Amino acid sequence: QLQLQESGPGLVKPSETLSLTCSVSGGSINSSPYYWGWIRQPPGQGLGWIGSIFHNGVTYYNPSLKSRVTMSVDTSKNQFSLKLNSVTAADTAVYYCARRSSIFDFWGQGILVTVSS
Amino acid sequence: QPVLTQSSSASASLGSSVNLTCTLSSGHSRYTIAWHQQQPGKAPRYLMKLEGSGSYNKGSGVPDRFSGSSSGADRYLTISNLQSEDEAEYHCETWDGYTPVFGGGTKVTVL
Repeated sequence: QLQLQESGPGLVKPSETLSLTCSVSGGSINSSPYYWGWIRQPPGQGLGWIGSIFHNGVTYYNPSLKSRVTMSVDTSKNQFSLKLNSVTAADTAVYYCARRSSIFDFWGQGILVTVSS
Repeated sequence: QPVLTQSSSASASLGSSVNLTCTLSSGHSRYTIAWHQQQPGKAPRYLMKLEGSGSYNKGSGVPDRFSGSSSGADRYLTISNLQSEDEAEYHCETWDGYTPVFGGGTKVTVL
């Protein structure tokens, strides 16, 4: 059974960099036709796409976040990662990693990241 | 880029049926969408992929009482024989190229 698990700090200071990792188990990150994504959900709000990455490192980012986002993949560890720099309180949210073909069909449990000093 | 519109809330009695609507923006009426269920405090769970033709494919383990249908730009999720565990937020999703788009979500209350 495929499992995705987000990990990283739950508290980040304003202006610093948010760093999260998604560990994939029960399946290979190289599996075609799948690729991988990050989605976030601010408290009491809807879902927002951050970006997607293929196993070969090709990335697609939300234009509204593109200047602050970097995603990477480590196929040897079956993991992919998210970095969001220059964070503010508006970046406080639950961050989800998920598998994607044409739609997100498998989600991690999510991790709450709070931006506060 | 498509925009998805959902009602903010819906309610129905235990054992009855509820229909949720996700409406695609003008020029995107043929797009395929997905429905996701998000129970309180939990991650979203993929329910089904729903085409403009009304054909749908459900995710693993999704109960038979969840079904989908389409009419024009509207995509529907019908939950029959409503159970207490169906009280959740339901999100629709579509995409344009490699860009996913989500609706605002509909909160379903079971009375």
